[in-house]
Amino acid sequence: SQQGEEDPQALSIQEGENATMNCSYKTSINNLQWYRQNSGRGLVHLILIRSNEREKHSGRLRVTLDTSKKSSSLLITASRAADTASYFCATTAFSGGYNKLIFGAGTRLAVHP
Amino acid sequence: DAGVTQSPTHLIKTRGQQVTLRCSPKSGHDTVSWYQQALGQGPQFIFQYYEEEERQRGNFPDRFSGHQFPNYSSELNVNALLLGDSALYLCASSLGRNNSPLHFGNGTRLTVT
Repeated sequence: SQQGEEDPQALSIQEGENATMNCSYKTSINNLQWYRQNSGRGLVHLILIRSNEREKHSGRLRVTLDTSKKSSSLLITASRAADTASYFCATTAFSGGYNKLIFGAGTRLAVHP
Repeated sequence: DAGVTQSPTHLIKTRGQQVTLRCSPKSGHDTVSWYQQALGQGPQFIFQYYEEEERQRGNFPDRFSGHQFPNYSSELNVNALLLGDSALYLCASSLGRNNSPLHFGNGTRLTVT
């Protein structure tokens, strides 16, 4: 089963608008990561936020983490048509000295010109 | 600097056959993880290899097996293929055991008929 669950499942906006995607998870984490996937391609790492951080920025991306609510959000500001993709949150599960990343089902973002 | 490369890009097999997928990690990376992604879903963790041994495994049957070679490249083998094994198989590499962040290949699209 997947650790992270994204919300909404799909999001459709106009260029220039902001896009907000949310992720909830179930167990304690070391860090949470966001990835992007263009249709049928591999995933690209966007940003990592550690469990002791509350907010992180990278260009037009802003990620927040609330460990008390076991949730995270990804905000893309001033969206562009090129931002159209699926976005996944991933949490680390630590077991036996090794970490593995568990992905949610993703949010499909469509940005219309 | 080559990223993660996977071969083949597409594959069509018949139910009951066996398949081998290959992955070369990003230069400098020593850990390889394999994921299965069904259409419209998030990647599901299959297993992770580090120092030529399987270190973590997801909820996949023994029909799924793998190998890591001394040059860190890896293979994923699936025996007795089922129709439900049709998916995009993604290989991801990282440095060390922390999985942070993962670098993905573009995947192998496997179709089982």
